[in-house]
Amino acid sequence: GESVGLHLPTLSVQEGDNSIINCAYSNSASDYFIWYKQESGKGPQFIIDIRSNMDKRQGQRVTVLLNKTVKHLSLQIAATQPGDSAVYFCAENAGGTSYGKLTFGQGTILTVHP
Amino acid sequence: SQTIHQWPATLVQPVGSPLSLECTVEGTSNPNLYWYRQAAGRGLQLLFYSVGIGQISSEVPQNLSASRPQDRQFILSSKKLLLSDSGFYLCAWSVGWDREQFFGPGTRLTVL
Repeated sequence: GESVGLHLPTLSVQEGDNSIINCAYSNSASDYFIWYKQESGKGPQFIIDIRSNMDKRQGQRVTVLLNKTVKHLSLQIAATQPGDSAVYFCAENAGGTSYGKLTFGQGTILTVHP
Repeated sequence: SQTIHQWPATLVQPVGSPLSLECTVEGTSNPNLYWYRQAAGRGLQLLFYSVGIGQISSEVPQNLSASRPQDRQFILSSKKLLLSDSGFYLCAWSVGWDREQFFGPGTRLTVL
C-alpha cells in the first residue's frame, strides 16, 4: 500500500549549521505534501507545504524540495537553532477520493547542539 | 484566528472503563475534523474523519467510535477500553481536503 518513510531516523547538527531531513513517498498519485514539527508532548505544528506542480518552496529559514521523478521530499532548515530540536514528519495527501487523508512518515529526530 | 482545543490533556483509565475525549475548534465554520492516534516514537495513524455534523468515516476497525454533534465539536469514545488503546490522541482540522491540517495539543491516554 501507499507509504511515506524517512531515510534517517535521527539527525544531530551543531547550532548554526544547515539541516536536511529527507522523506520518500511511494504513492505517485500524491499531489500535496506537508512538513510538520512536533515537540515532545505537543501536537504537530505545520511548517511548510508544497504541491506537486512545484519543485521548490521557501519559507522563513525553511525550504522544501520535491522530486517527483524519484518520489523524494526534503526539508532544509537554514542556520539551525536549538529551538529547532524536535521530531519532523512528512505527510502526503493523495487527493482525489482520499478526502484529505494524510499519510505520515515515521519521523526524524533532529537534535541541535549549542 | 482559529484555535483548537482538546481535553483532558492527560488521562489514566482502567481496562474496561469508558472513554470520552473532546475536541473543539474556534474561529472557523464547517471544518473537516480528524482524530489521530500516535504510539510512542511513531507516526500518526488516522482513526476517523468528518466532513460535517453527524458524518463520520472510520479508517481502521477498532474499539473506538467518533461523533460530531456540533459543527465544531468532535468526540472520540469507547465503551470499554483495552490496554492497546493507550497512546497520544490528536484532533486536527482543515478548511478543505487539499489544505494543511492544524493539530490540537493532544490527549495522553494511559490504560492500566
